[in-house]
Amino acid sequence: DTEVTQTPKHLVMGMTNKKSLKCEQHMGHRAMYWYKQKAKKPPELMFVYSYEKLSINESVPSRFSPECPNSSLLNLHLHALQPEDSALYLCASSQDSAANTEAFFGQGTRLTVV
Amino acid sequence: AQTVTQSQPEMSVQEAETVTLSCTYDTSENNYYLFWYKQPPSRQMILVIRQEAYKQQNATENRFSVNFQKAAKSFSLKISDSQLGDTAMYFCAFMNPVIAGANNLFFGTGTRLTVIP
Repeated sequence: DTEVTQTPKHLVMGMTNKKSLKCEQHMGHRAMYWYKQKAKKPPELMFVYSYEKLSINESVPSRFSPECPNSSLLNLHLHALQPEDSALYLCASSQDSAANTEAFFGQGTRLTVV
Repeated sequence: AQTVTQSQPEMSVQEAETVTLSCTYDTSENNYYLFWYKQPPSRQMILVIRQEAYKQQNATENRFSVNFQKAAKSFSLKISDSQLGDTAMYFCAFMNPVIAGANNLFFGTGTRLTVIP
């Protein structure tokens, strides 16, 4: 199994809603990542979890709250988002956070904030 | 800071022909990693090929090969015998292993490649 599974594939939410994005991998990877990709732009790193601990937060607003319940799961809790937060949210995992390991990406969640 | 530049927003190639996508980067580091990722309409980022900066030999993966010019900070991707399934957005990416705990990929702006039947 070399898959990173993200759910849901599409999400439309209002600015007052609370929702969560989910990411799962069963490759035994110990590093997991959230990236944000705006239309026609490259992915930008949001968070890195290494061994279930948050190791990097790239100055992301607090309306995005990551959670890593165990080594296979990564969530991104969303609250009070703005329309400009609409984007493709990509989850990735790698064997660990050392630089010489390949990152495997999920298919992303297309988020629209209305 | 690292920057990755892809100067070709869009390219097209006839099926079975060869195409080269360009990428340049800027860094003051001596040891780093470079990648080409492919993002088809399915949206999933797929690793195409990787190159360690300390290796002089250019990486190859079947129909994909790179021309890594460290002094010029250039990292182009050559796709031989192009297939319809190669149609995708291609991102060049840089990783600096000096940053502890950070498997942080810096992506270029991408090149949209269309393979024409």
